[in-house]
Amino acid sequence: QKEVEQDPGPLSVPEGAIVSLNCTYSNSAFQYFMWYRQYSRKGPELLMYTYSSGNKEDGRFTAQVDKSSKYISLFIRDSQPSDSATYLCAMRYTGTASKLTFGTGTRLQVTL
Amino acid sequence: EAQVTQNPRYLITVTGKKLTVTCSQNMNHEYMSWYRQDPGLGLRQIYYSMNVEVTDKGDVPEGYKVSRKEKRNFPLILESPSPNQTSLYFCASSSEYNEQFFGPGTRLTVL
Repeated sequence: QKEVEQDPGPLSVPEGAIVSLNCTYSNSAFQYFMWYRQYSRKGPELLMYTYSSGNKEDGRFTAQVDKSSKYISLFIRDSQPSDSATYLCAMRYTGTASKLTFGTGTRLQVTL
Repeated sequence: EAQVTQNPRYLITVTGKKLTVTCSQNMNHEYMSWYRQDPGLGLRQIYYSMNVEVTDKGDVPEGYKVSRKEKRNFPLILESPSPNQTSLYFCASSSEYNEQFFGPGTRLTVL
């Protein structure tokens, strides 16, 4: 069993829809949770970063962490075609800035 | 501009021919890492470095070497590449209080 599970998709939604992307994990020692966005033929770029449980909002994006359920989510409101990309969840322990464990990524397609 | 650069961006080589992929960052970051990305497997860490002359194995280190002689550079060395090392490789850097910043990737094909 992988430490971090993520549905690979693809997920196709119409423009303007609310998108929900999710990851589950098995190691309760993870404390920092991230979402990266990766466009085709590009490197991942950090989108959202959350420490421990709770919500964090940044514009159209909201990240949620539920440590009791070992479940993290990324919500995208008013989705745009420019949001079409692969979204990778990642997590790490305290004190290990260089050691990330990634999910396999969910490919999102936002259609006109 | 803050960035991580990798060279080459694309490489086709043959089994057993030693190669080096360079990585450089201009953000004075202490931490640097190498990942490979494969379909269905996601990003897996190969090696990481916490500072000059300090390196450690990640999840899939077999067949790879690294060195960190300068803070800004972290080359990935394949002494004897094999076809199963065909992959998309990413270098990343971070400071202790900021999350990882990725390079543009190197697509390697080993024939």
